[in-house]
Amino acid sequence: EIVLTQSPGTLSLSPGERATLSCRASQSVSRTYLAWYQQKPGQAPRLLIYGTSSRATGIPDRFSGSGSGTDLTLGTDFTLTISRLEPEDFAVYYCQHSRTFGPGTRLDIK
Amino acid sequence: EVQLVESGGGLVQPGGSLRLSCVASGFTFSSYSMNWVRQTPGKGLEWLSYISSSGSTIYYADSVKGRFTISRDSARNSVYLQLNSLRADDTAVYFCARDSFPLQYWGQGTLVTVSS
Repeated sequence: EIVLTQSPGTLSLSPGERATLSCRASQSVSRTYLAWYQQKPGQAPRLLIYGTSSRATGIPDRFSGSGSGTDLTLGTDFTLTISRLEPEDFAVYYCQHSRTFGPGTRLDIK
Repeated sequence: EVQLVESGGGLVQPGGSLRLSCVASGFTFSSYSMNWVRQTPGKGLEWLSYISSSGSTIYYADSVKGRFTISRDSARNSVYLQLNSLRADDTAVYFCARDSFPLQYWGQGTLVTVSS
């Protein structure tokens, strides 16, 4: 069973700063099946990134996803980057591989 | 506009049953697979069940296999989740979500509380 670990658990930043969120898989996983979601209180998760680095429809280009390593199909370490934080970006972010979700990273306003 | 609207949640005693519904609109329902996902404060997001567009392929998480049953009715543009033998740790917000992967569209969720 694949386990996803997200770090940090909570990230406190200011608007305009760059946010880097990590998702690590317990074993190599297909980059095709790696996604990121944003969730705000009282709302459903919103798809941001799929296939490790493809932005979903309507997602601003300040959101980007990547995976480390030289293998273009597999990976264990994935990153969601928000280049310049907007006030509406403060939320909880989840990574997902296939049917497994990570525990989330809470992005708070500093 | 794609919309998914869940209903059927509520307060139920341990050992009881509930049937959750999710009505879809804004797309050709019969062409898409559907899922149920739940969220608890303690365990976060947990995928529960998948049903293919035709209904011929169904998967369950081990945690609910044998207790929950997913089904769909294309005439009603609806997907259902029958919850049986409910336990306190089934208390959660239950979401329906479209597609196999990724889950591009989600409903707003329905709260199920299992308590005596």
